[in-house]
Amino acid sequence: GAGVSQSPSNKVTEKGKDVELRCDPISGHTALYWYRQSLGQGLEFLIYFQGNSAPDKSGLPSDRFSAERTGGSVSTLTIQRTQQEDSAVYLCASSLGPQETQYFGPGTRLLVL
Amino acid sequence: AQRVTQPEKLLSVFKGAPVELKCNYSYSGSPELFWYVQYSRQRLQLLLRHISRESIKGFTADLNKGETSFHLKKPFAQEEDSAMYYCAYRGSTLGRLYFGRGTQLTVWP
Repeated sequence: GAGVSQSPSNKVTEKGKDVELRCDPISGHTALYWYRQSLGQGLEFLIYFQGNSAPDKSGLPSDRFSAERTGGSVSTLTIQRTQQEDSAVYLCASSLGPQETQYFGPGTRLLVL
Repeated sequence: AQRVTQPEKLLSVFKGAPVELKCNYSYSGSPELFWYVQYSRQRLQLLLRHISRESIKGFTADLNKGETSFHLKKPFAQEEDSAMYYCAYRGSTLGRLYFGRGTQLTVWP
């Protein structure tokens, strides 16, 4: 079946602009996660959704970052007033439940000029 | 604080040689440990989880609670094993994984 999909695959933006990144989880997966993969930093957790609520948003680096999930499915990660340090690959993952295997999407590569 | 440590950023071996990718974690409870792999131009995928105690693609990993380690081993490396390997754990906080910084494994012919 279809895996986790993300769009866009690449995004180039100018410093100060807002960007929206989209994640379509595997159908039926109630848990959804956003991670960030920066050069030399490995993968950093950003936020976790269970259904439409976010019981753990402790990884969001600043108030410029926000995320929502609607209908227990699609999620959008929004970065306002982008900075160059926001450049990274943003990964989305989903799982049947919070203790199940996480399946990752291909990522969105964000470059802030 | 770094909770998962992968001390080798790069690791190179020749085909047929044994390979061991090191992973140490810092967690006082009973974590769940994972190895994820990312092949070139592919998405991150699960390789092993310690509770399964299975061998995937010839790789094994044993959780050593005394040494807080979860090293990944393969007795005879293959060229197709070349990839980035990430160790991760999940503690008491539901869902989220803590990842190490990864080890880039290169297997030379």
